[in-house]
Amino acid sequence: QKEVEQNSGPLSVPEGAIASLNCTYSDRGSQSFFWYRQYSGKSPELIMFIYSNGDKEDGRFTAQLNKASQYVSLLIRDSQPSDSATYLCAVKRGGGNKLTFGTGTQLKVEL
Amino acid sequence: GAVVSQHPSWVICKSGTSVKIECRSLDFQATTMFWYRQFPKQSLMLMATSNEGSKATYEQGVEKDKFLINHASLTLSTLTVTSAHPEDSSFYICSAKVRDRLMWEQYFGPGTRLTVT
Repeated sequence: QKEVEQNSGPLSVPEGAIASLNCTYSDRGSQSFFWYRQYSGKSPELIMFIYSNGDKEDGRFTAQLNKASQYVSLLIRDSQPSDSATYLCAVKRGGGNKLTFGTGTQLKVEL
Repeated sequence: GAVVSQHPSWVICKSGTSVKIECRSLDFQATTMFWYRQFPKQSLMLMATSNEGSKATYEQGVEKDKFLINHASLTLSTLTVTSAHPEDSSFYICSAKVRDRLMWEQYFGPGTRLTVT
C-alpha cells in the first residue's frame, strides 16, 4: 500500500464546475497535509495546507480533512482552464521534516 | 510567500562529468532545505534533507557519495551530481522550510532539468 494515494486521472471538468480531488494516506501519525499544484515542466506551488479536521477555505479552494477516515480532499470552485495542472497531495508526520507526496491527480478544465 | 531560487534552470552535461546545482532562499533564512528528484510522469521523491552547518540526511537508496550536498549558510544549499550518467537525467527540485513559523511550510524552487548525454 502506498503511503499517499491519489487517483492519477485525468479528471475532466467543464469550466465553472467544481473539481473534487481526493487523497488517502496510510500513516496515522500524519499531522499536516498539503496541496500543491504543478504545471507541466514546472516545480510544485503550495496552494493550501490543513492541520485540523474539517474544512479550510481560501478563495476558490477548500481543503477538507478527515483524520478518522484518513483522507484529505481539495475542492476547486468555479474551475478555470488555468487550473488545469497536476495536483499533488503531501503529508507530514507530527514533529518531522519529511513530506511524503502522492503521485498526483491530473486535472483538465475544459471550455 | 517565501521565494526560493535555483541555478541553473537547465543543464546538459556529458557522461562522467559533475554538475553543481544551487538552491537559495531569497527573502528568508532556511535552516533546513530539501532536495527532490522527479522523473517524467512520476511524483517527487525526496533525496536528502540538508541542515545548515551539518551533514545531510539521505533517504534510503540515495548514494551519498554520488549526490553531494552542502548547506554552508542559512540561504544556500548545493547539490553536486558526481560522475553523472544518463540515468541521472531528471528534474531536480529543492525546497526550503520557512524558519520562523510555528506551523512550518515548504516552498519549492523552480527546479533544474539535468540531461546527461
